[in-house]
Amino acid sequence: DTEVTQTPKHLVMGMTNKKSLKCEQHMGHRAMYWYKQKAKKPPELMFVYSYEKLSINESVPSRFSPECPNSSLLNLHLHALQPEDSALYLCASSQVGQLYNEQFFGPGTRLTVL
Amino acid sequence: KNEVEQSPQNLTAQEGEFITINCSYSVGISALHWLQQHPGGGIVSLFMLSSGKKKHGRLIATINIQEKHSSLHITASHPRDSAVYICAVLPDSNYQLIWGAGTKLIIKP
Repeated sequence: DTEVTQTPKHLVMGMTNKKSLKCEQHMGHRAMYWYKQKAKKPPELMFVYSYEKLSINESVPSRFSPECPNSSLLNLHLHALQPEDSALYLCASSQVGQLYNEQFFGPGTRLTVL
Repeated sequence: KNEVEQSPQNLTAQEGEFITINCSYSVGISALHWLQQHPGGGIVSLFMLSSGKKKHGRLIATINIQEKHSSLHITASHPRDSAVYICAVLPDSNYQLIWGAGTKLIIKP
């Protein structure tokens, strides 16, 4: 299984809602990533988990809260988002500890904040 | 100047043509990624390479570390190859990918 899956594919939420994005992989990867991608721009790294611990937070606002409950799952909890947070949210995973680690990406969740 | 430059930005070609997309970078790297993204969709990793050449089906990627340059070639192009092709480099001293702006490829039947 060389696939990263993400649910839901599309999400529309109001600014007062609480929602969660989910990401799953069964490749045995111990690093997992959240990226945000605006239209016609490259992805921007948000968070990196390594061995289920948060290792990198790229100064992301606290209305985005990541969680890694086990080595296969990565969640992104959303609360009190702003319309400018509307974007494609991509999850990726990779091995850890090698000189370079190829990242495998999921299909993304298209988020619209009203 | 961006650390990763791709050319061309846009490319339209006829089905069957040989396609070349170029990527130049200005930092020391440990590896370079070529990725594909269809409109509105997720990203697919095509290649990760640190030297030489890799081939997968109709896709070929080459890298010249001394010249800090990589190319992605598509042979016998097909309309389903229409997508944005992105070059991203993993710097020597950093964990974070540096992304090119992408090349939008359209293959007409």
